[in-house]
Amino acid sequence: EVQLVESGGGLVQPGESLRLSCAASGFIASSNYMSWVRQAPGKGLEWVSLIYSGDKIYYADSVKGRFTISRDSPKNTLHLQMNSLRAEDTAVYYCATIQTGRFDDWGQGTLVTVSS
Amino acid sequence: QSALTQPRSVSGSPGQSVTISCTGTSSDVANYNYVSWYQQHPGKAPKVMIYDVNKRPSGVPDRFSGSKSGNTASLTISGLQAEDEAEYYCCSYAGRYTFEFGGGTKLTVL
Repeated sequence: EVQLVESGGGLVQPGESLRLSCAASGFIASSNYMSWVRQAPGKGLEWVSLIYSGDKIYYADSVKGRFTISRDSPKNTLHLQMNSLRAEDTAVYYCATIQTGRFDDWGQGTLVTVSS
Repeated sequence: QSALTQPRSVSGSPGQSVTISCTGTSSDVANYNYVSWYQQHPGKAPKVMIYDVNKRPSGVPDRFSGSKSGNTASLTISGLQAEDEAEYYCCSYAGRYTFEFGGGTKLTVL
């Protein structure tokens, strides 16, 4: 059974950094397309970033240059390093697997709050 | 403002059918058959209900169906049940390994 468990969220001030993790089990994360999707409080879903087996990496324009997606293959874990955080980055961050154009399995999410 | 446009809300009575639209552009919905739909109950993670425009993952009832015409995709839920009440999001591949979501539609079962 595929399981994704996010961690690392919390309250930070504008300009600070935070690193999210997504522990995967039931499959090999490094062999799959993986993504981060976020949801601001009371708002819709927003695709953030994607990494796939060739270590090809893509970002939404809203986070490009500030966020870095990576994975730790031995630990079967996906990461999202978030720098220069802004109030508008406040959201629940989900990690998800991607299968042919769809977000298949999702974690439970971790809340990031950026506020002074 | 979301890249894909959905109605803010729809409603229907148990047993009825409802359709939720998702309007994009020639750069996303019209150009790719990678439209998916997600159901989200309050406080829960999204769940894929439809992918590749009209395919259902195993375990999703056949009451859920999807279609596309030009730059507009649609999700139809027939035989509405109380547990269908949720937020629904469409999503389209937009090329260059990027994705776009709609703003979400709240379905109320009356």
